[in-house]
Amino acid sequence: QVQLVQSGAEVKKPGSSVKVSCKASGGTFSSYAISWVRQAPGQGLEWMGGIIPIFGTANYAQKFQGRVTITADKSTSTAYMELSSLRSEDTAVYYCAREGAGAAADTYYFDYWGQGTLVTVSS
Amino acid sequence: SYVLTQPPSVSVAPGQTARITCGGNNIGSKSVHWYQQKPGQAPVLVVYDDSDRPSGIPERFSGSNSGNTATLTISRVEAGDEADYYCQVWDSSSDHPYVFGTGTKVTVL
Repeated sequence: QVQLVQSGAEVKKPGSSVKVSCKASGGTFSSYAISWVRQAPGQGLEWMGGIIPIFGTANYAQKFQGRVTITADKSTSTAYMELSSLRSEDTAVYYCAREGAGAAADTYYFDYWGQGTLVTVSS
Repeated sequence: SYVLTQPPSVSVAPGQTARITCGGNNIGSKSVHWYQQKPGQAPVLVVYDDSDRPSGIPERFSGSNSGNTATLTISRVEAGDEADYYCQVWDSSSDHPYVFGTGTKVTVL
């Protein structure tokens, strides 16, 4: 059974950075894309970006370009998301999620999720 | 970018049927996936590829998709089905290809 276990809650000052980890077990880590999705308090789900560990290259939503860096360490089956220049609007729960592929071409969904990491940005 | 619209809330009595819609331009040409999220928990995939269920998801959860509307149907609703539900599609033309709906709160009366 695939499990994604994330690092613990963080409290950060505005302007600083945060790095959240997501350790995978029970599956073939390198072959599946891992994405990061965030959810602000009382709000919906927002995709930030993702990476396929076997290739090592990440892609990001334009909204977060320049502020987010997603990496993966195949040796430890761990993905990371670093968000910089934090502001109060970045207060949210951050989830990692594994991508599953649909039967049709060009369709993907998330079949496994981490438990979430609350990042609070406050002065 | 592609937009998915859901009703903010749906209320249903136990044992009845809840229908949650997800509207999008020609959404019938895309595959739609649905997630359930209970308070303080991560989302859980309940339907993928319009109407397939992952292992462990009850048959009470079903989906359909045609025209401009996809629908998640929960039959014989139970108290434990009270949650937020999100639809999702993959839009290859967008810079953020994973598009989520606005979410629907299902309340069991």
